[in-house]
Amino acid sequence: EVQLVESGGGLVQPGGSLRLSCAASGFTLTPYWMDWVRQAPGKGLEWVANIKQDGSVKNYVASVKGRFTVSRDNAKNLVYLQMNSLRAEDTAVYYCAREVLGGTAHWGQGILVTVSS
Amino acid sequence: QSVLTQPPSASGTPGQRVTISCSGSRSNIGSNTVAWYHQLPGTAPKLLIYSDNQRPSGVPDRFSGSKSGTSASLAISGLQSEDESDYYCATWDGSLRVLVFGGGTKLTVL
Repeated sequence: EVQLVESGGGLVQPGGSLRLSCAASGFTLTPYWMDWVRQAPGKGLEWVANIKQDGSVKNYVASVKGRFTVSRDNAKNLVYLQMNSLRAEDTAVYYCAREVLGGTAHWGQGILVTVSS
Repeated sequence: QSVLTQPPSASGTPGQRVTISCSGSRSNIGSNTVAWYHQLPGTAPKLLIYSDNQRPSGVPDRFSGSKSGTSASLAISGLQSEDESDYYCATWDGSLRVLVFGGGTKLTVL
């Protein structure tokens, strides 16, 4: 069964850091772009970042550029989102997803990140 | 303000056909394929349509997608109570180099 499981979320103070992990099972990450998407409480979906199969290309939404870094370890079937200089407006459920726009799209269950003092 | 514009709400009665629009521009819908998702509260989004009009296996043929120019549409025929959900369109924006979602449409089955 294809699964994506996020971990590493929680409560963090403004200015703090968190690293989210996304563990893939039931398939190998290697052939796929991977995305991170977030959803603030009561709001719509916002794409955050993606990373190419070999990690050579990374794209970010403007609001997180310079603060967030996406990476992957294909050997371990893991994708990461390093989040630094966190702000209150980064509070959201963060989803790891396989190729959001493709026919093989698959999402994790999401993990909550709360930025608050 | 989303790059892709969807109506905030839509409604229909059981058995009816409803459509949800998604309006963009040349740099996104006009030059890239569109996907559609639905999302129930507290759950992850699920793919309904990809590549403008393709259904993944398991998605009923009551759901169909289309695109013309810089706009895309999702049609749901034979509306059922379980179709009550939030619906989102998504595509790549080549100018901004970001993936963009519509603001979402809340579908109510009356």
